[in-house]
Amino acid sequence: DTAVSQTPKYLVTQMGNDKSIKCEQNLGHDTMYWYKQDSKKFLKIMFSYNNKELIINETVPNRFSPKSPDKAHLNLHINSLELGDSAVYFCASSPRQGMYNEQFFGPGTRLTVL
Amino acid sequence: DAKTTQPTSMDCAEGRAANLPCNHSTISGNEYVYWYRQIHSQGPQYIIHGLKNNETNEMASLIITEDRKSSTLILPHATLRDTAVYYCIVRSIYNQGGKLIFGQGTELSVKP
Repeated sequence: DTAVSQTPKYLVTQMGNDKSIKCEQNLGHDTMYWYKQDSKKFLKIMFSYNNKELIINETVPNRFSPKSPDKAHLNLHINSLELGDSAVYFCASSPRQGMYNEQFFGPGTRLTVL
Repeated sequence: DAKTTQPTSMDCAEGRAANLPCNHSTISGNEYVYWYRQIHSQGPQYIIHGLKNNETNEMASLIITEDRKSSTLILPHATLRDTAVYYCIVRSIYNQGGKLIFGQGTELSVKP
């Protein structure tokens, strides 16, 4: 009964490839997020979606394209992968866009680009 | 959102209270204090949040000073499973999209 799930958990790929990470939440939340945690362990927001609408794009390269087919899913597609994309990517969700709501995080996807 | 300052690391004996400080001297009246933690190889986990009153839940207590320039997260009886990085985050009610801005956090080691 995982609240926020991500697939795959690990992803190893070559430079230049295109890959996707999937995220699903079964909490009925309206808002979903993608965060990136680099090798120095800093967590940074990448995107935020509210009811399938993009709310935040934190100057992420356009090689990264989030897609929200419905409220329960927010997938992350990455084109032309680069070495610097290696990181752990976390998906999260919250009930509404408002500030009073805690965010629930998924287990993360460790992406390694060779 | 206001910047926060936390010690890089702390130790705590198992069974004792863990008191994690956070400085947010530039906090404004429309900003809340949130605490999250990240256990190794897991996603961050919400702990507690508050505005100006002290707050308590099943996980922890949050003590905010009267001037709101600092706060302390208290884990009353720390266990080995509380070993994690603890993040203090200040977040405005006008925060666009609800994003969280994480700093470096405090790495808490609970020792037997």
